[in-house]
Amino acid sequence: DTAVSQTPKYLVTQMGNDKSIKCEQNLGHDTMYWYKQDSKKFLKIMFSYNNKELIINETVPNRFSPKSPDKAHLNLHINSLELGDSAVYFCASRPTGGEYYGYTFGSGTRLTVV
Amino acid sequence: DQQVKQNSPSLSVQEGRISILNCDYTNSMFDYFLWYKKYPAEGPTFLISISSIKDKNEDGRFTVFLNKSAKHLSLHIVPSQPGDSAVYFCAARLNYGGATNKLIFGTGTLLAVQP
Repeated sequence: DTAVSQTPKYLVTQMGNDKSIKCEQNLGHDTMYWYKQDSKKFLKIMFSYNNKELIINETVPNRFSPKSPDKAHLNLHINSLELGDSAVYFCASRPTGGEYYGYTFGSGTRLTVV
Repeated sequence: DQQVKQNSPSLSVQEGRISILNCDYTNSMFDYFLWYKKYPAEGPTFLISISSIKDKNEDGRFTVFLNKSAKHLSLHIVPSQPGDSAVYFCAARLNYGGATNKLIFGTGTLLAVQP
């Protein structure tokens, strides 16, 4: 009954590879996000989707491509992985409207590029 | 350009005492402020929020104070318990209208509550 689930939890891969991280939420939320937590523990937004439409696209290399097949899923595909991509990636979701309680986060995917 | 700052990377308090975590921000357009709590290997979990039009919000042992003129907010935990030991993130919301908004996070403060 996990609210926001991400897979895999850990991912170790070599430079130059392509990898994907998957996210699913069962909360019925309309909006989903990808955040990146770097080595300095700074949590920074990357993308946001609302009902499968991209609404926020921060300054992120175009090697990163999000995809939302439906409003419950938001995946992140990364091409040509670089050492600097090593970080923890968090998926989050929130409902539209209502009292504001912020986002519900997944438990994160720790990506290590070697 | 870090719009939300938590200048204390760590804080240690005794069980039963008050924990005060601080946060400063620079952008006057933030309309909500939130505190999140994070345990190792888990995602951040929502703790408490405050609208920019209020100066205080209380929920059990947790109280958030907002000083808009100083662009400063603080989280008070009274009494502190060992289970409160975690990283606390301050976050602020930028609302662009409709469904478009984003949270901007500080770098976190590691709170250690000593038994």
